[in-house]
Amino acid sequence: QVTLKESGPVLVKPTETLTLTCTVSGFSLSNARMGVSWIRQPPGKALEWLAHIFSNDEKSYSTSLKSRLTISKDTSKSQVVLTMTNMDPVDTATYYCARTLVVAGDWFDPWGQGTLVTVSS
Amino acid sequence: QSVLTQPPSVSGAPGQRVTISCTGSSSNIGAGYDVHWYQQLPGTAPKLLIYGNSNRPSGVPDRFSGSKSGTSASLAISGLQAEDEADYYCQSYDSSLSGYVFGTGTKVTVL
Repeated sequence: QVTLKESGPVLVKPTETLTLTCTVSGFSLSNARMGVSWIRQPPGKALEWLAHIFSNDEKSYSTSLKSRLTISKDTSKSQVVLTMTNMDPVDTATYYCARTLVVAGDWFDPWGQGTLVTVSS
Repeated sequence: QSVLTQPPSVSGAPGQRVTISCTGSSSNIGAGYDVHWYQQLPGTAPKLLIYGNSNRPSGVPDRFSGSKSGTSASLAISGLQAEDEADYYCQSYDSSLSGYVFGTGTKVTVL
């Protein structure tokens, strides 16, 4: 059974750096046909893709947030880490990690349960 | 900053058929990239509903179907049921942005 679980702070202050960890099970981060993405959803709003890391450690980022994001992975720990710098109240959202299936058209399945991050002083 | 446009809401009576459109452009759907659909029940994480334009994962009822043409895609729900009340999102890849993109989302209400 494939599962992903997000962990990290529930509250961060403006200007701080957010660090989120996605722990996966049921598949290997070295599998060539799979990767992990981070996706967020502000309350009551649509989904927004943030970043992705491939099995070969290649990374891609949302164009609008690229300067603030860093994604990395520790294959031995089955973990993917996302950092976002200079947090602002508009970054308040539920952050999800999801397995990306890289098969002639990439899709996300399954998703973690998500973790709500609030940015407030 | 969704680049795929969906209607904000659609509704239908139990048993009816509803469709949700997903309109993109020449840099995403029109460029030949596949479209995938997700269902998000209230208070839960999104779940894959359709992948590769028209394929259903195991366990998804055949009431759900997807199609793609030109720069748009559609999700159809036939035999609408109360349990189908949820938000639905389309997703694809955009070559201009060099990243994945989601639709604006559509809320389905069962009357």
